[in-house]
Amino acid sequence: GNSVTQMEGPVTLSEEAFLTINCTYTATGYPSLFWYVQYPGEGLQLLLKATKADDKGSNKGFEATYRKETTSFHLEKGSVQVSDSAVYFCALSPLVTPLVFGKGTRLSVIA
Amino acid sequence: NAGVTQTPKFQVLKTGQSMTLQCAQDMNHEYMSWYRQDPGMGLRLIHYSVGAGITDQGEVPNGYNVSRSTTEDFPLRLLSAAPSQTSVYFCAARDGYEQYFGPGTRLTVT
Repeated sequence: GNSVTQMEGPVTLSEEAFLTINCTYTATGYPSLFWYVQYPGEGLQLLLKATKADDKGSNKGFEATYRKETTSFHLEKGSVQVSDSAVYFCALSPLVTPLVFGKGTRLSVIA
Repeated sequence: NAGVTQTPKFQVLKTGQSMTLQCAQDMNHEYMSWYRQDPGMGLRLIHYSVGAGITDQGEVPNGYNVSRSTTEDFPLRLLSAAPSQTSVYFCAARDGYEQYFGPGTRLTVT
């Protein structure tokens, strides 16, 4: 079946530190991959996506590359800000069945 | 373009009461779904719909009913509320691969 595993949090970083949140997946076929972000008290927003192997999704300084050989889609940012504090969810989309989400990773960035 | 809207934002129920959480979208997307979010549990799928008149169960459907009479609306009904249903509920609409979420309803059952 389809599943997503992401690193457990919480992750606490100082401002301007480098961020990596690991995400690996198991899927049949060739799903699209997503990172969603949830700021406190809000719903989930799409952060970035990649629809095929070797695609790199990017947005707001965040990047993730769809690695078919390692079944991974790790989220990275070179220099985090306090405003990046949120919960991040990795997800895969098999198109005809519901999206599958990881459990989320809480990021706290301190000044 | 409002996207996905949910009402109410907050609700407190007593055990055994019933209520309907409303969800509407103005994007004309066929696929809609309901999730609940509990601390440390991520998102769990309750029910989903691939179009008007078609619904199916997700991971945690017990205690909830849905119907889809129009493309725009996808209400979630709690038949007899229980404390275990205290959670934040999110509705979503999907266009191909991309999914758009509503702002959520925070439900407390006492």
